[in-house]
Amino acid sequence: DSGVTQTPKHLITATGQRVTLRCSPRSGDLSVYWYQQSLDQGLQFLIQYYNGEERAKGNILERFSAQQFPDLHSELNLSSLELGDSALYFCASSGPNEQFFGPGTRLTVL
Amino acid sequence: QKEVEQDPGPLSVPEGAIVSLNCTYSNSAFQYFMWYRQYSRKGPELLMYTYSSGNKEDGRFTAQVDKSSKYISLFIRDSQPSDSATYLCAMSEWGTDKLIFGTGTRLQVFP
Repeated sequence: DSGVTQTPKHLITATGQRVTLRCSPRSGDLSVYWYQQSLDQGLQFLIQYYNGEERAKGNILERFSAQQFPDLHSELNLSSLELGDSALYFCASSGPNEQFFGPGTRLTVL
Repeated sequence: QKEVEQDPGPLSVPEGAIVSLNCTYSNSAFQYFMWYRQYSRKGPELLMYTYSSGNKEDGRFTAQVDKSSKYISLFIRDSQPSDSATYLCAMSEWGTDKLIFGTGTRLQVFP
């Protein structure tokens, strides 16, 4: 168990809908990272937050947004969902020289 | 062209074999090199971390980095069925936490 929690584990929704994925980092970790893992693209960095502020951005679509709250949990919002958004979404938080990954949320868009 | 290339496998080996997993990269700014292991339906977990060329050993695992060739490897000695997983290489530039992952190599070790 990495200490990073993610909810929900599974999410099934329809095209055009909006969903919110939630992540709680390990106790004491200020950074939260979001990744998308799909069969064809592998694990791709989306965005990083550090203590409530956006720190780095990857190939995150404009339909996707994230935020980190004062209690350090983070949410990833995905809107106008398309079939191609079906993937595993991982959250990670960081200690020295290591990112600890949560168990992921499997999103299926029908 | 992707920044990090990794043979997707799958790789199937008998128990006790030596396994070699490899990644190549194109970005010479990468300074940190990691290997993650991902079991089915789980998040990746860090196996090895290094930032210099050469070898780093941890038990049955050896990570090798050749910056001049932009090539990294992970060797697993005396492989066990419990090593069956997907192995992902990951890299980052100095001063950033943004990890760039390879697509992963699926390894199966059969008894």
